Order: sequence, then structure tokens, then C-alpha cells
Amino acid sequence: QVQLVQSGAEVTKSGASVKVSCKASGYTFSNYGITWVRQAPGQGLEWMGWISAYNGYTKYAQKFQDRVTMTTDTSTTTAYMELRSLRSDDTAVYYCARGGLRYWGEKAFDIWGQGTKVSVSS
Amino acid sequence: EIVLTQSPATLSLSPGERATLSCRASQSVSSYLVWYQQRLGQAPRLLIYDASNRATGIPARFSGSGSGTDFTLTISSLEPEDFAVYYCQQRNDWPPTFGGGTKVEF
Repeated sequence: QVQLVQSGAEVTKSGASVKVSCKASGYTFSNYGITWVRQAPGQGLEWMGWISAYNGYTKYAQKFQDRVTMTTDTSTTTAYMELRSLRSDDTAVYYCARGGLRYWGEKAFDIWGQGTKVSVSS
Repeated sequence: EIVLTQSPATLSLSPGERATLSCRASQSVSSYLVWYQQRLGQAPRLLIYDASNRATGIPARFSGSGSGTDFTLTISSLEPEDFAVYYCQQRNDWPPTFGGGTKVEF
């Protein structure tokens, strides 16, 4: 079946980096994009950025522009999100979701990963 | 950026009752409004895309309506598994944004 499976929980310290993976299966990976969304404890959803799995084109939210890098590996059908210079307020569950191929808003996010909890301590 | 305001913040209802959730945009998003459901401890799930289209596998008791700035998600008769948080999201304008959510509680 179509699914996205994310890497396990991370515990890290302020100033460090974290890299979350998102393995896709059950569909043609390069026909879609991957969006990353995060959710702080008890809070709503926050869009972080998007990457095309076809050509690697990215679009990041301005808030994360200087600290985030999204990549894909078509050979393993895996997407990655790296967030640097972590702060305590980056503590959140990070989700990947399947999105449009050609641009960030092409389609709704129809398949979601299970989420990866990232805890940042000072 | 477009701000999506969801109301009410919390909706207290019983199984079998009708739920009506609102999402208002600070400017027109045409029909590019999406609804997601998030059950406790789970990832969001796509319910409705482009204002009124049910996603694959979504029961007919869920319906969406609206265009421009005012949108509604209706659950015609609440089932126990429908008690969750519902988010709207717009994909019309950069950056994509989410509403703050409506919690449907028993």
C-alpha cells in the first residue's frame, strides 16, 4: 500500500542538527513531491517546505530558509529533512506528507508519515 | 500570508449529532481549501480537498462547502471515531497555511 515511513525519535541539544528520513513505498516516488510539516506540543500544524522528488527543486518557508535543507534519494525512494542550529522551540513532531510534483501548492497532502518526535534540550 | 481562522475552537457534541465547522480566510483562496482530521496521537489525515471533494476512503457523512473566504466542514452524524481535531489549509497562495484547528469533543 501507499505509505511513508519516518525515522525514529531524536533527542538532541541546542545548537545541534537533526536529519529526519521519510521512506516512500507503494507509488512512483518521482511522480510526486514531499512536504514537511511540524507540530509543537499541544499546537497546530506548521508548513516547513516542499521538495519535488522529480528534480529536487525546493521551496522553504521563510522562517526556516536559513536553517533547513530538504533532499531526496530516488534510488532509495527516501526524502530527508535536515534542520540546523536547533533551539528548544524546535521541539516538535515532524511529519512528511506526499504533495504535488511541480510546485508547493499543486495538490493536497494526501499521504502522511507517522511523524518523528524531535526533542531539543538546552 | 493568508490567515485561516477556524471556529469554534471546541465543539462539544454527542454521537449521532451534526457537526458544523467553519474556516474563514483573510483573503480569497478560491476553492483551494483542504480539510484534515487528526485523531489523538496520530498523523493528520486528508478528508476534503478543493473545498468539497472527499478524499479516497472518506465516508459520505463528511462534506465540505464554500469558496472564496468562507468554508464549512459538515459531519452529518458523528461516529465515535470522529471525535478529533480538524484543520483547514489553503494551497492557493504562498505560503501554504493552516488554521488553528477545531476540536470536536464528546
